[in-house]
Amino acid sequence: EVQLVESGGGLVQPGGSLRLSCGVSGFTFSSSWMFWVRQAPGQGLFWVSRINIDGSSTGYADSVRGRFTISRDNSKNTLYLHMNSLRVEDTAMYYCARVGSSWSNDYWGQGTLVTVSS
Amino acid sequence: DIQMTQSPSSVSASVGDRVTITCRASQDIDNWLAWYQQKPGKAPKLLIYAASRLQSGVPSRFSGSGSGTDFTLTISSLQPEDFATYYCQQANSFPRFGGGTKVEIK
Repeated sequence: EVQLVESGGGLVQPGGSLRLSCGVSGFTFSSSWMFWVRQAPGQGLFWVSRINIDGSSTGYADSVRGRFTISRDNSKNTLYLHMNSLRVEDTAMYYCARVGSSWSNDYWGQGTLVTVSS
Repeated sequence: DIQMTQSPSSVSASVGDRVTITCRASQDIDNWLAWYQQKPGKAPKLLIYAASRLQSGVPSRFSGSGSGTDFTLTISSLQPEDFATYYCQQANSFPRFGGGTKVEIK
């Protein structure tokens, strides 16, 4: 059974930092590109970041570039998102997702909620 | 940047109805398009990839069509479990999602 389990969310003050984790099982993590996607309360889906299979290539949405860093540890089957200089507008549910056929996302975690507020 | 525009933003329909949702890309994206279903409090679920290919395990009442800039998701006979929000996604290494279409009970 495929499982993606996010953790690390919580309440943080503006300007603070968090590290999200996504533990994976049930598929070959080391052969899979991965995304982070977020969803602000009551809003739609927004792609945040992507990473290739060995971590040598990453990409970011303009609104998080320079503040967020995606990484992975294939020995631990874990994906990370390091978030610095957090803003109120970063408040959202954060999902990790596997990149499958034709760049679609076939497996998703249940999400971890990040709330940025003073 | 490519923009993805979905319409309508919401639709009211009854069980058994045929429902069509459209997605328009601001530039030609060939068939690099996916459709997702999301229910409240849940993660999105992949329905269609490569514009028209049905994801494994998804009922055949769901279908996708289109290429280039105009795409369609069709539910041929709406079932109670299909009331949800649907998103299109320009599928590439820097993806964009449409704004979503909420399918509500009439």
